[in-house]
Amino acid sequence: DAKTTQPNSMESNEEEPVHLPCNHSTISGTDYIHWYRQLPSQGPEYVIHGLTSNVNNRMASLAIAEDRKSSTLILHRATLRDAAVYYCILLTQGGSEKLVFGKGTKLTVNP
Amino acid sequence: DVKVTQSSRYLVKRTGEKVFLECVQDMDHENMFWYRQDPGLGLRLIYFSYDVKMKEKGDIPEGYSVSREKKERFSLILESASTNQTSMYLCASSLFPLSGQPYEQYFGPGTRLTVT
Repeated sequence: DAKTTQPNSMESNEEEPVHLPCNHSTISGTDYIHWYRQLPSQGPEYVIHGLTSNVNNRMASLAIAEDRKSSTLILHRATLRDAAVYYCILLTQGGSEKLVFGKGTKLTVNP
Repeated sequence: DVKVTQSSRYLVKRTGEKVFLECVQDMDHENMFWYRQDPGLGLRLIYFSYDVKMKEKGDIPEGYSVSREKKERFSLILESASTNQTSMYLCASSLFPLSGQPYEQYFGPGTRLTVT
């Protein structure tokens, strides 16, 4: 399985943008980049996913590098509710759908 | 909104008891999953099912079984609970990837099971 690397923790202020990086230098052409987050004492929550092009949805944006070896999850205006552990995961087209969470990035949002 | 519900948020059982964890989803998803989450070990797949009465073992099926009699319901059974099964149990569902593209998984709130 292609691996991902994320910083252990990041900090942001409320209402400021947050850029959460993920490195995946061994990504293959059929690997989709998925992001999930997990708020304290809750189940994981899907955030966004993409293959090659940048993606936007109501929760966040995903910026994918041209060589696809890294990506960035962008929260445009962080709120206290965005404090969570964010996981970047690669899933292969036609492959296992099993989610394997690494350590993720713990995001702290300061009021 | 997709809703995945689990029968209990917290459960305390004794060693040797048979334990049933129920999961229900309301989005007509084909796939359903059972994971457990432990500190330092991340998320581990126990079993998954891609259709009624179909099941596939995940990475850690020992000591567990599953049942899927209806599309919306996926049950996890601990045949004889042991203390090393104390964990957070998470159920998820997703569409079946007909085109091969993996779909997002929607999780329930989790059941924190303590076996004493």
